[in-house]
Amino acid sequence: DQQVKQNSPSLSVQEGRISILNCDYTNSMFDYFLWYKKYPAEGPTFLISISSIKDKNEDGRFTVFLNKSAKHLSLHIVPSQPGDSAVYFCAASDLRDNAGNMLTFGGGTRLMVKP
Amino acid sequence: DTAVSQTPKYLVTQMGNDKSIKCEQNLGHDTMYWYKQDSKKFLKIMFSYNNKELIINETVPNRFSPKSPDKAHLNLHINSLELGDSAVYFCASSQDGAYGYTFGSGTRLTVV
Repeated sequence: DQQVKQNSPSLSVQEGRISILNCDYTNSMFDYFLWYKKYPAEGPTFLISISSIKDKNEDGRFTVFLNKSAKHLSLHIVPSQPGDSAVYFCAASDLRDNAGNMLTFGGGTRLMVKP
Repeated sequence: DTAVSQTPKYLVTQMGNDKSIKCEQNLGHDTMYWYKQDSKKFLKIMFSYNNKELIINETVPNRFSPKSPDKAHLNLHINSLELGDSAVYFCASSQDGAYGYTFGSGTRLTVV
């Protein structure tokens, strides 16, 4: 049973436009959310995160929005660039869990930004 | 280079063999992890070690045995490899729990 879901396996966007990647979760105990970017044959690299006490976090071209009532978060990339083409993973954690702070990942969305 | 490094990057082996994947981090992190990315591309935690102590063991077969000789190393030994073990295995480390997770570049294991 997947607690974190990314329902769009792929997304194609024109360079310069906005990319919106979505993520849904079911576990209400999650209180910290992260987005990772992954290129082929490399490990995931941290992109941006948000705590459940916030509803928005912005870092340059990247903004993450959190809607706790809907258990939904999204990553906005604007403007999109060809170098943003990668697989994006949404992840969630329960910071109060003493069992080791594991991350629960979604299945990823492949973003393709066309020049 | 400060990083999480794992070796080998690719590993092809026959069913029934025993193999090990090594992981080292020079970030000074206290916690290290092994994640498995299956054929459906989901990344799932297998083990978590904090200062050489096992913290998480997520329903992983006994054939998988992590070993942490010190807090900078977390190796994964797999006995009696099966076809279903074929996956990409990622090592990771963090200092403050979910903050600052850093992943290695992965080991693609193919069992034939």
